[in-house]
Amino acid sequence: DSGVTQTPKHLITATGQRVTLRCSPRSGDLSVYWYQQSLDQGLQFLIHYYNGEERAKGNILERFSAQQFPDLHSELNLSSLELGDSALYFCASSVGAGRLIITEAFFGQGTRLTVV
Amino acid sequence: TQLLEQSPQFLSIQEGENLTVYCNSSSVFSSLQWYRQEPGEGPVLLVTVVTGGEVKKLKRLTFQFGDARKDSSLHITAAQPGDTGLYLCAGLNQGAQKLVFGQGTRLTINP
Repeated sequence: DSGVTQTPKHLITATGQRVTLRCSPRSGDLSVYWYQQSLDQGLQFLIHYYNGEERAKGNILERFSAQQFPDLHSELNLSSLELGDSALYFCASSVGAGRLIITEAFFGQGTRLTVV
Repeated sequence: TQLLEQSPQFLSIQEGENLTVYCNSSSVFSSLQWYRQEPGEGPVLLVTVVTGGEVKKLKRLTFQFGDARKDSSLHITAAQPGDTGLYLCAGLNQGAQKLVFGQGTRLTINP
C-alpha cells in the first residue's frame, strides 16, 4: 500500500459526459501529480500541484482540469469525454520540499476510465 | 518537449538469462528513476540515480546513469519469473518540476 488513495477504481461513462477523479495523497505529501496511461503506453504527465498551486502542466487537454484543495486532496475533472479518453489515470504524491526536489513519487492504484 | 525512449519495448526471455533495458534521451535530467509496474497497480520506485556515471545495485538488478545524465540502463542477471512486469524509466526536470516517463519495457520471464 503506497498510502495514495484514488477513487473510484473503475468508471464507465458515455461520450460527452463529465467525470471527476479523486486523489488523496500520502500523509504529509504536498505535491500531487496526475498521469494518463493508455493501453501498453507509458505514463503521460498531465499536471502537477504543490500545496494548492498549479506548478507544471504537461499534455493536458483543455477539456481536462484539476485542482488541489486546502486539505491537499486533488481532483481531476474530465469533460466532453471522447472514446480516446479511455485510459488509466494515476495520481502520485511526493514530499516536495524547498525547490520541490522530488525524491520519490508514490503512486495510487489508478482509476480505469472507460468511455463508451 | 523532453522525451525518454526505452528499448526494447517488449522482451521475453527464459529464466536464468541476463538482460539489459535501455533508457535514452537527448535531454539532460537532474536525476533518473526506474519504476516497476504490475498489472492493475501503480508504478513502484526501484531506484533513483543522481550523479553522472553512478551505478546502483539492488540484488540482481544493476542501474547505471550515463556520464552526461542523458541515458540510463537496467541490467538484470539470472532473471526470474517474479521479475516479469513493465519497467519504466522517468527523468526529473527539476527546473520545470516535471517527472517525464518513458513508454516502458514489458518484460516477460518464462519458467
